[in-house]
Amino acid sequence: QKEVEQDPGPLSVPEGAIVSLNCTYSNSAFQYFMWYRQYSRKGPELLMYTYSSGNKEDGRFTAQVDKSSKYISLFIRDSQPSDSATYLCAMNTGFQKLVFGTGTRLLVSP
Amino acid sequence: SQTIHQWPATLVQPVGSPLSLECTVEGTSNPNLYWYRQAAGRGLQLLFYSVGIGQISSEVPQNLSASRPQDRQFILSSKKLLLSDSGFYLCASEWDRGSPLHFGNGTRLTVT
Repeated sequence: QKEVEQDPGPLSVPEGAIVSLNCTYSNSAFQYFMWYRQYSRKGPELLMYTYSSGNKEDGRFTAQVDKSSKYISLFIRDSQPSDSATYLCAMNTGFQKLVFGTGTRLLVSP
Repeated sequence: SQTIHQWPATLVQPVGSPLSLECTVEGTSNPNLYWYRQAAGRGLQLLFYSVGIGQISSEVPQNLSASRPQDRQFILSSKKLLLSDSGFYLCASEWDRGSPLHFGNGTRLTVT
């Protein structure tokens, strides 16, 4: 079993839809959770960074961490074609190296 | 904020040729530096990380090596490239363990 599981997609939605991207993990010691957005032929760009459980909102993006279920989510409201990218989750304990999901490819059609 | 410079952006090299990819970081001092390789559909594979000048840890035995000659410079090298070395190479930096990782824009290497 991988430490971090992420559905590869692709996930196709129409413009304006609410998008939910998810990751599950097995290591209960993970404390720091990140979401990265990666456009084609570019490096991953940090979108959201959260510590421990709860929600964090930044504009159209909301990151949610449920440590009891070992489940994290990224919600995108009012999705735009420019949101089309691969979204990577990542997490660590704070004392070890980051563990990444394999990424979910999102396609937002106009 | 950190800025990570990687070059070249793309590279085509024949099998058996040497490789040198360079990464430099601005906006932070004494960062932890990483080299990752990303293959299509296979996620990010950590190759090397460094916590300081001359300190390199290898995650995966392979045809590659890394060096950190200066605080904010990280170099990925190979003496003889293999076809399997093709991929997207990313340099990343964090100011401290547990802080978010920031990536450069990568080098796409094709070995022919």
